[in-house]
Amino acid sequence: GQNIDQPTEMTATEGAIVQINCTYQTSGFNGLFWYQQHAGEAPTFLSYNVLDGLEEKGRFSSFLSRSKGYSYLLLKELQMKDSASYLCAVRDSNYQLIWGAGTKLIIKP
Amino acid sequence: IAGITQAPTSQILAAGRRMTLRCTQDMRHNAMYWYRQDLGLGLRLIHYSNTAGTTGKGEVPDGYSVSRANTDDFPLTLASAVPSQTSVYFCASSKTHGPDEQFFGPGTRLTVL
Repeated sequence: GQNIDQPTEMTATEGAIVQINCTYQTSGFNGLFWYQQHAGEAPTFLSYNVLDGLEEKGRFSSFLSRSKGYSYLLLKELQMKDSASYLCAVRDSNYQLIWGAGTKLIIKP
Repeated sequence: IAGITQAPTSQILAAGRRMTLRCTQDMRHNAMYWYRQDLGLGLRLIHYSNTAGTTGKGEVPDGYSVSRANTDDFPLTLASAVPSQTSVYFCASSKTHGPDEQFFGPGTRLTVL
């Protein structure tokens, strides 16, 4: 079966750095996405990785290792508005997105 | 309209009733999707459409139907609602059914009693 694993919840302090991990087992791989979802709102796109390595976009970076079936999202200089759920999704061989259950990130002052 | 709109925002429905959730996008995206999101689970794909006139089944299609008569609209119909269909439903679209990011509507919170 297809599976995406992420921690259920993480807590971090304002101004700090946090790394959210995602491991996957899917039938084929055509890219990995990270989305942010604030409570009661729709998911919004953060990043896309299809090749191994690090993609940096401002305070957010995403890393991919296809051989290990592993990705992480790195958030720097955390702000209170970063409190949200972070969803990892993998596009499989049929170009369908398989979603993880999400990691709820709690930021404390 | 800017992006994707969904209607209604929320609905309480008696079991056995028929219900259509509406989704409209103005980005001229070819691909559209319907997901359901339940607590503790990832988004699950119900149905999708790669382009106007075509539809396909996702991971959890039973009890749902869709149509794609034109590029902009992608309604989701529950023929006879059951309590297990209580969920938050998100419509999404992307330029193509390929490497493009998906843009999501605001969601419909549906409760079936």
